[in-house]
Amino acid sequence: ETGVTQSPTHLIKTRGQQVTLRCSSQSGHNTVSWYQQALGQGPQFIFQYYREEENGRGNFPPRFSGLQFPNYSSELNVNALELDDSALYLCASSLAGWGGEQYFGPGTRLTVT
Amino acid sequence: AQTVTQSQPEMSVQEAETVTLSCTYDTSESDYYLFWYKQPPSRQMILVIRQEAYKQQNATENRFSVNFQKAAKSFSLKISDSQLGDAAMYFCAYRRGGASEKLVFGKGTKLTVNP
Repeated sequence: ETGVTQSPTHLIKTRGQQVTLRCSSQSGHNTVSWYQQALGQGPQFIFQYYREEENGRGNFPPRFSGLQFPNYSSELNVNALELDDSALYLCASSLAGWGGEQYFGPGTRLTVT
Repeated sequence: AQTVTQSQPEMSVQEAETVTLSCTYDTSESDYYLFWYKQPPSRQMILVIRQEAYKQQNATENRFSVNFQKAAKSFSLKISDSQLGDAAMYFCAYRRGGASEKLVFGKGTKLTVNP
């Protein structure tokens, strides 16, 4: 069974640029959730995708967008990067259903300069 | 809105001893789940234990157990026989009942295990 994977591991971007982060869900899972974890904080929910549709969104501006593909992998796109976007971005996959546990990937560390 | 509070930013324990991490939460829901996640320096969030709100029995996973006090909205994690590998950030998380709901996390407790 393959776990959740994310790419890249680290990246550095300049303010105003755009970035795409990728996530492959665990085998058998059909739901992907994205979280932002600022340094020294707990993860904050960005949004969730189920069957290629956005299925819930946290308090993040529209410049945070996502996609889910037919194989349930997902992308997180952030436009017009700001310094405060520097964080660890975590992807979690789960199987839709009551009490479905979320399994996390290792994260992507984004630094905006 | 649901909130999760971890009042201990840092805790330390001697190897082989027992430590308890605290967590309180606020919700008006009756159906929900609570979790403890461990995040070592490698960054990967690992599920330690989960508790269904409708279950009165406290969950246990080997050396990890919880004290779930539903009326008090308290959900503490007890680690017995602490090991050096237990050193990590520990996050308490809440999830409302239902299909595909988000996790709400606390700010975390950094656990240090002293040899």
